[in-house]
Amino acid sequence: ETGVTQTPRHLVMGMTNKKSLKCEQHLGHNAMYWYKQSAKKPLELMFVYSLEERVENNSVPSRFSPECPNSSHLFLHLHTLQPEDSALYLCASSQDRDSSGNTIYFGEGSWLTVV
Amino acid sequence: AQSVTQLDSQVPVFEEAPVELRCNYSSSVSVYLFWYVQYPNQGLQLLLKYLSGSTLVKGINGFEAEFNKSQTSFHLRKPSVHISDTAEYFCAVGNTGFQKLVFGTGTRLLVSP
Repeated sequence: ETGVTQTPRHLVMGMTNKKSLKCEQHLGHNAMYWYKQSAKKPLELMFVYSLEERVENNSVPSRFSPECPNSSHLFLHLHTLQPEDSALYLCASSQDRDSSGNTIYFGEGSWLTVV
Repeated sequence: AQSVTQLDSQVPVFEEAPVELRCNYSSSVSVYLFWYVQYPNQGLQLLLKYLSGSTLVKGINGFEAEFNKSQTSFHLRKPSVHISDTAEYFCAVGNTGFQKLVFGTGTRLLVSP
């Protein structure tokens, strides 16, 4: 139990569907992240939120839409995805967005398969 | 820009043998270095991190890593591995300022009896 909970753990969706991934952190952290993990590739940082404000968007396609309603919750809304978007999506949090060696705590991930 | 290289995609080893997982980084500024472990069907968990001070860092589960600035390396070691150490290990580098860790591609450690 890392203090970061993701749901659902597994999701299969068609290319025309709309779905959402949910993340909740119980650590009192101010920063939250979405990462994409694909086979044989480094973890890709997708979005960063600090105090509910988006501070980074790493050239992610608009078919991925994040939402951070408060500092404990983070969503990733998905629509008209492509098969190459199939991957493990990891949510994470840290005390602050500024790096002073703050540990990033990861959730267990949501396995997404696009068919 | 920072980068991390984990040259070994997979390291097979027998139980109770020592192991070293290699990590090299490049950065133009002072760095913080991390090792994370990912067990099957789980997220990443911090093993250890180097921020400053002693170059030998001890982490959980008997792992340790040594920061070598001249060789820009941060290799992970364990003197005697267990079957339960089978997992994917990720090296990551960060620096001061914005929290943006750069991860390596990972090394799969396979421990067999």
